[in-house]
Amino acid sequence: DVQMTQSLSYLAASPGESVSISCKASKSISNYLAWYQQKPGEAYKLLIYSGSTLQSGTPSRFSGSGSGTDFTLTIRSLEPEDFGLYYCQQYYEKPYTFGAGTKLELK
Amino acid sequence: EVQLQESGPGLVKPSQSLSLTCSVTGYSITSNYWGWIRKFPGNKMEWMGYISYSGSTSYNPSLKSRISITRDTSKNQFFLQLNSVTTEDTATYYCARRRRVPLFDYWGQGVMVTVSS
Repeated sequence: DVQMTQSLSYLAASPGESVSISCKASKSISNYLAWYQQKPGEAYKLLIYSGSTLQSGTPSRFSGSGSGTDFTLTIRSLEPEDFGLYYCQQYYEKPYTFGAGTKLELK
Repeated sequence: EVQLQESGPGLVKPSQSLSLTCSVTGYSITSNYWGWIRKFPGNKMEWMGYISYSGSTSYNPSLKSRISITRDTSKNQFFLQLNSVTTEDTATYYCARRRRVPLFDYWGQGVMVTVSS
């Protein structure tokens, strides 16, 4: 199975700051990488796919980069609604696998 | 708008079967793919499997001998059955719509299932 590693399990930041969340695959997955956001009491939201393509409705302050094994989700100028859990997922091959999640909390 | 809602018992005894229902509104399950994903305590997530628009299924090999995903198109519902559960199956279970590309673009709110005697 492709192991997805999110090195930071927890990240504290303030509104207005920019943050980056990393995700590393155990083998090359090309750009078959998605990012999801989960907030308490809400359904998961698909933010980005193909490594860098914004899902319809995702604010432009979100961006994704990377290919191969190393990927980054960047949130520019954090808004209060951005705090929550972020997961990466590879869909290069089955079984589809997720990172362990990075919790973005208010500093 | 596509909406998914999981339902089922919140407590299952070890060695028994876990059965969950996902009710879909706003979209027919005879299109796209429909999957189950779970999140364990501690936030680890696992893709469990999916059923396609045609009724074919695909499962995570780690579960292959215990899992079954079926559907009732007349009710626009699909189902998860996980046999011989242990305490390791305690998790929040989510149903989700999978696109043709294996992304999950609509999710249910999740249902917490505890396996305990």
